[in-house]
Amino acid sequence: DAGITQSPRYKITETGRQVTLMCHQTWSHSYMFWYRQDLGHGLRLIYYSAAADITDKGEVPDGYVVSRSKTENFPLTLESATRSQTSVYFCASLARISYEQYFGPGTRLTVT
Amino acid sequence: LAKTTQPISMDSYEGQEVNITCSHNNIATNDYITWYQQFPSQGPRFIIQGYKTKVTNEVASLFIPADRKSSTLSLPRVSLSDTAVYYCLVGGIVPGGYNKLIFGAGTRLAVHP
Repeated sequence: DAGITQSPRYKITETGRQVTLMCHQTWSHSYMFWYRQDLGHGLRLIYYSAAADITDKGEVPDGYVVSRSKTENFPLTLESATRSQTSVYFCASLARISYEQYFGPGTRLTVT
Repeated sequence: LAKTTQPISMDSYEGQEVNITCSHNNIATNDYITWYQQFPSQGPRFIIQGYKTKVTNEVASLFIPADRKSSTLSLPRVSLSDTAVYYCLVGGIVPGGYNKLIFGAGTRLAVHP
């Protein structure tokens, strides 16, 4: 199926553990993004990628690592999870011709 | 980075027209204005985008004055299913890079029966 998917959809982890959130899109969009959304707030950009092997920081990159070895995948890693990283994480890709971002269903991460 | 300001919340009733205004005083020449809608537990969904004047699609209209320092999203005849958070974003792809889009807190629209 065409679209953008995220896995896992729900994750509970402990403080200090490494966690990787996966994002996969089937459109071959060049740009991909990771956002976090805390309860009752808007989305904040963590990292984005303009193409394979090209990434850049957003508003809140500390504590996160990204990679983009293939155009269709954009994993987000929390190297040592903290409680403040409890949030809903959204991945998105951008259709350059229209500047429209397509969002995944989100991953709800709880750090205990 | 172009910052946007929009009302925190709005209330309306079914069948009414709703206008949500967004202020973006430092919009850049290359910036587009984009609106997204978000329902609880879902990712944002694109509604409409424009650069200047008026844009209309099947769900909304976007009005942009000549100075582009503000924009108004117009939702005709809202229904209960339009209850959501609406985000105004300014930015886009610029030569040599990407003008990072900032979502902000959005406008929480509540439509009442």
